[in-house]
Amino acid sequence: GAVVSQHPSRVICKSGTSVKIECRSLDFQATTMFWYRQFPKKSLMLMATSNEGSKATYEQGVEKDKFLINHASLTLSTLTVTSAHPEDSSFYICSARLDPGYTFGSGTRLTVV
Amino acid sequence: QQQVKQSPQSLIVQKGGISIINCAYENTAFDYFPWYQQFPGKGPALLIAIRPDVSEKKEGRFTISFNKSAKQFSLHIMDSQPGDSATYFCAASMLRTGNQFYFGTGTSLTVIP
Repeated sequence: GAVVSQHPSRVICKSGTSVKIECRSLDFQATTMFWYRQFPKKSLMLMATSNEGSKATYEQGVEKDKFLINHASLTLSTLTVTSAHPEDSSFYICSARLDPGYTFGSGTRLTVV
Repeated sequence: QQQVKQSPQSLIVQKGGISIINCAYENTAFDYFPWYQQFPGKGPALLIAIRPDVSEKKEGRFTISFNKSAKQFSLHIMDSQPGDSATYFCAASMLRTGNQFYFGTGTSLTVIP
């Protein structure tokens, strides 16, 4: 079936560096993708909605200059965590609308040291 | 404001027993109610979903019961197995009118042998 491929699955980076996470829709085109953040033993928190060819829509409280989202094609959305700090360490998950619902990537565990 | 309220937060069930997780919502515009299963370090995977025009949907050992008047829905896992041990999220969405998608707070299920 249709899959959302997320890469990398794990990444460790140093404080102050930037990290890019990719989310690809396989076998289908995703005009809209979503980026979530999940803290341990917590629910998924929607960070932003990524629209192909236009600017992303960020949820309240999410810094758009820190979490850069690019949706340059119908099959690829990227999230770049800029100038990462330890408090950005988290599990990041993307998803795409696939009627009648949504399908999720396998997530990226980001650790900032 | 939590759009979808989920309970219990954690659940321990004996192998072979029935696991029941409950969710409630307020917004009557929601028209799609999925349940997701998430294993540690993985993204959520769609388990089963229901639309508000039916009161029950069954797929294998998993059943969703939906009470439109009470604005509640629940997941029943029959003959629970240790492999079912995971975190379960209910969600609600307005597929007709947009991409809004809201998760419950999650239930950590442990099935003991």
